Amino acid sequence: GAVVSQHPSRVICKSGTSVKIECRSLDFQATTMFWYRQFPKKSLMLMATSNEGSKATYEQGVEKDKFLINHASLTLSTLTVTSAHPEDSSFYICSAKSLAGGYEQYFGPGTRLTVT
Amino acid sequence: AQSVTQPDIHITVSEGASLELRCNYSYGATPYLFWYVQSPGQGLQLLLKYFSGDTLVQGIKGFEAEFKRSQSSFNLRKPSVHWSDAAEYFCAVGPRTYNTDKLIFGTGTRLQVFP
Repeated sequence: GAVVSQHPSRVICKSGTSVKIECRSLDFQATTMFWYRQFPKKSLMLMATSNEGSKATYEQGVEKDKFLINHASLTLSTLTVTSAHPEDSSFYICSAKSLAGGYEQYFGPGTRLTVT
Repeated sequence: AQSVTQPDIHITVSEGASLELRCNYSYGATPYLFWYVQSPGQGLQLLLKYFSGDTLVQGIKGFEAEFKRSQSSFNLRKPSVHWSDAAEYFCAVGPRTYNTDKLIFGTGTRLQVFP
């Protein structure tokens, strides 16, 4: 149980275009979903926290207009990287907390974004 | 400031040898403590967690960790490493309050296992 999926697993896009990454909780309802960014050989940096039906809370230094987060349902959150640039290339990981309670975050497998 | 330190960036061990990965944290109060493992190109899998009670916690894949309040440490151990344990290991802490869920991750320790 507690499986989180991400789609796509890998995406290559051209500079200036937008790309959407989906995060789904497959067998549970998620009150809160988190989006992390991981640079090569670096730790995970929390970008934003999203709760179903409300606006996401962004961490300091993360551009809200560039990284659009939508948490439209209890099983789906999306991250849209708008007007992508090569420096946005990274590994993006989402996690989710269960509506059933508990402190644990369940992580998705990640999405590798490459902007050319 | 809240932080997590994993002093060892890279560790190499022989298969069958014992393993200890270090984790120290700086926090206002005792946080919740976690160890995650990440295989190349993959997401994170929870190995174990400490919330309260027995300070020696058992996890999956034969891992255990010991919380030492006096040392602000939560070191991960395994008595006999398998080649499949080669991965990146992250220690993380989270607050004991419910008004925030943010996890703070260490920089990770890359484990390499030689046959």
